[in-house]
Amino acid sequence: QSVLTQPPSASGTPGQKVTISCSGSTSNIGRNIVNWYQQLPGTAPKLLIFDSKQRPSGVPDRFSGSKSGTSASLAISGLQSDDEADYYCAAWDDSLHSPVFGGGTRLTVL
Amino acid sequence: QVQLQESGPGLVKASQTLSLTCSVSGGSISSGSYFWTWIRQPAGKGLEWIGHVFAGGSTNYNPSLKSRVTISIDTSKSQFALNLNSVTAADTAVYYCARDWDGGGWFDPWGQGALVTVSS
Repeated sequence: QSVLTQPPSASGTPGQKVTISCSGSTSNIGRNIVNWYQQLPGTAPKLLIFDSKQRPSGVPDRFSGSKSGTSASLAISGLQSDDEADYYCAAWDDSLHSPVFGGGTRLTVL
Repeated sequence: QVQLQESGPGLVKASQTLSLTCSVSGGSISSGSYFWTWIRQPAGKGLEWIGHVFAGGSTNYNPSLKSRVTISIDTSKSQFALNLNSVTAADTAVYYCARDWDGGGWFDPWGQGALVTVSS
């Protein structure tokens, strides 16, 4: 059971916009930044969003992050087949004194 | 740019110690305020933070693994290491090393991962 809660799956058609949620509590998302990772099949995770809404260099602006209260969201617009991957959120947890992950969301492009 | 590479045995017997090394290239392991991190992922499952070591040697571990984990750093070799003792089949996973920019889960970059299988 992950500390951060994500839907196990999401889907969309090419060109659509998809949003993936990440729900936590006041001890993690409520007080700390959220980071998002993309894991393409058979590869290591890659940083997609840091500090809740910042994109690293090279990440397309189709990817955006937001945070409100104890929840965060990753939005992917203009969905492409290459976006098929697992997506994970992560944040520091003040109670556990450690970073925690969401369980991951598998995105399927139909 | 900084690159990380895991190395170590791919097969470990149950009850023994899993040992992995992460080699850091393209930048100094002792510069900046980074946290050098180990994360694992069992097949078909999610990511689990194992722990990290600061350049000065201080560590922080996942409470659920704390009794079995040691992470150390060797700045002269630009490496940091993971030791996990008393392993069982549940420790079979891909093990990743990564750099954490603030100690709070901002991991970038990651190594490519090393599969470790615990055999009985």
